[in-house]
Amino acid sequence: AQSVAQPEDQVNVAEGNPLTVKCTYSVSGNPYLFWYVQYPNRGLQFLLKYITGDNLVKGSYGFEAEFNKSQTSFHLKKPSALVSDSALYFCAERDAGGNNRLAFGKGNQVVVIP
Amino acid sequence: KAGVTQTPRYLIKTRGQQVTLSCSPISGHRSVSWYQQTPGQGLQFLFEYFSETQRNKGNFPGRFSGRQFSNSRSEMNVSTLELGDSALYLCASSTVRDLNTGELFFGEGSRLTVL
Repeated sequence: AQSVAQPEDQVNVAEGNPLTVKCTYSVSGNPYLFWYVQYPNRGLQFLLKYITGDNLVKGSYGFEAEFNKSQTSFHLKKPSALVSDSALYFCAERDAGGNNRLAFGKGNQVVVIP
Repeated sequence: KAGVTQTPRYLIKTRGQQVTLSCSPISGHRSVSWYQQTPGQGLQFLFEYFSETQRNKGNFPGRFSGRQFSNSRSEMNVSTLELGDSALYLCASSTVRDLNTGELFFGEGSRLTVL
């Protein structure tokens, strides 16, 4: 069964330090991978996606993600975290069955400590 | 450009009742998807509509239904509400091009509480 794994429940990081949120995927072949962020009482906001091309994808708000096919990973990174980055982060992959729906990971709560 | 609008934002129902949630997509977006978000199950796909046709359906019972109108606005309905239906229901819209690459634009959700 298709699944996206976000192994950590919460990621704590000091403001100004690098931030990494981990994600592994299961779609074989050429995966379509995404990161979304959710602030309290809000919907999801698109951050970035990997479809094809360079393994390092740059997105909104200074975030980037690295696609690693051999490790089936798509970790989200930011060189210097801000307090305002505190939110819930979701990794997602496009459904392997040819549907256009997204399968989301369980989400990671990121807490940036001032 | 206005974003995805969902109404109502909050509502409280009792078991056995039914509820209808509304979603107005971004202008020009013809695809509307619905997701249920709960602390235990996370984000789960409900269904997707494109040009008034349901194209995909998630693994939910028949109590969950939806439709899309000619102006691309969508509604979802849940009948015979159960306590476990308490959740944040998120609507997302997409253009045809974005749909193929998965970029969805989400509304802020309708938070349903079933008592």
